[in-house]
Amino acid sequence: AQKITQTQPGMFVQEKEAVTLDCTYDTSDPSYGLFWYKQPSSGEMIFLIYQGSYDQQNATEGRYSLNFQKARKSANLVISASQLGDSAMYFCAMREGRSFQKLVFGTGTRLLVSP
Amino acid sequence: SQTIHQWPATLVQPVGSPLSLECTVEGTSNPNLYWYRQAAGRGLQLLFYSVGIGQISSEVPQNLSASRPQDRQFILSSKKLLLSDSGFYLCARQWNYGYTFGSGTRLTVV
Repeated sequence: AQKITQTQPGMFVQEKEAVTLDCTYDTSDPSYGLFWYKQPSSGEMIFLIYQGSYDQQNATEGRYSLNFQKARKSANLVISASQLGDSAMYFCAMREGRSFQKLVFGTGTRLLVSP
Repeated sequence: SQTIHQWPATLVQPVGSPLSLECTVEGTSNPNLYWYRQAAGRGLQLLFYSVGIGQISSEVPQNLSASRPQDRQFILSSKKLLLSDSGFYLCARQWNYGYTFGSGTRLTVV
């Protein structure tokens, strides 16, 4: 079964507008963490934001915020005021477990920001 | 610093040749280390992980193997490469609640 689902292969947004990238997850573990990474064409994986399963508030990091809806098992990434440099692949990932923790990735969403 | 060093950045190898990709990490000792592979236009697939020297767990059956001869060294190997081994290989380490990735090796098997 797919642990992390990203249903949007590609998204387009105009510069300065906000965009939401969808992510749903599946786990029976009460302790987990959710991550978003950005991968530009260079291939490096850039950490954007983290949400723990017990965190009461949605995580925010600058222009990035994570819309965490635990009951729906969704962890959407919101990018406000998009910039041309935001064009990249975006991956949602989940870490499960307490003792040893593996990071499992979704298939990614390619975001293109136009001027 | 939790820096990860991976080399080489790109590699073109013929089918049937051996492979050795090296990853070394800085920072706290005894890190959890991971090898991921990313096929073109796809997500990251976990190949191997290691919780300590000599301790390797494989996630998927494949033509590759991994070793951890030193605390901060993680090596990905193959005795005979297949065309299907082409991809982007990333080494990662876990720290606190996060994960840091190396810059990756783009392997093309021809």
